[in-house]
Amino acid sequence: AQSVTQPDIHITVSEGASLELRCNYSYGATPYLFWYVQSPGQGLQLLLKYFSGDTLVQGIKGFEAEFKRSQSSFNLRKPSVHWSDAAEYFCAVGASGGSYIPTFGRGTSLIVHP
Amino acid sequence: SQTIHQWPATLVQPVGSPLSLECTVEGTSNPNLYWYRQAAGRGLQLLFYSVGIGQISSEVPQNLSASRPQDRQFILSSKKLLLSDSGFYLCAWSIRDRVYNEQFFGPGTRLTVL
Repeated sequence: AQSVTQPDIHITVSEGASLELRCNYSYGATPYLFWYVQSPGQGLQLLLKYFSGDTLVQGIKGFEAEFKRSQSSFNLRKPSVHWSDAAEYFCAVGASGGSYIPTFGRGTSLIVHP
Repeated sequence: SQTIHQWPATLVQPVGSPLSLECTVEGTSNPNLYWYRQAAGRGLQLLFYSVGIGQISSEVPQNLSASRPQDRQFILSSKKLLLSDSGFYLCAWSIRDRVYNEQFFGPGTRLTVL
């Protein structure tokens, strides 16, 4: 069965600092990977996705993620964090094999200090 | 373009009262539809998903039920609410025939059971 681990429940950074949110997955084949962001009281918005090809994926809002098969990781990065990036971030691995159910990590809460 | 609507946005209900939350999708046909719940400070819990009209799969046994009376309409119901039903309810959809299941989320409904 597939699984997703986001080892950090909370991450605190200063505005302007770089950011890396960790995501590790367990999957039997080539995974389809996603990062979503959720601002307080809102739904989830897709930041970026990886299906195949270039392992460095660019997303919206200046985010990028790198797929590393050898480490089973798909970490999210941003070179300079803005206060508006404070939110909950979810990593997910897509469904396959006839299933329609993706698997989400538990989420990482990003706190940005001025 | 596709949009997803949920209503109401917020709801306060007494214990033992009925519940009906509605989700509709525009701009696509034959979507997969999903209901998730987020308890305070916790991740996403999949409640129900549907691959077609009248086809509902339940992921968690509880006092909630779901129905899909039309292709792009998904309803979450309860006959008698419990305190533990409080939370943030998210509806999502994905394209049915894609191998990978990128999801698109609605704005959510905040339910408080008193």
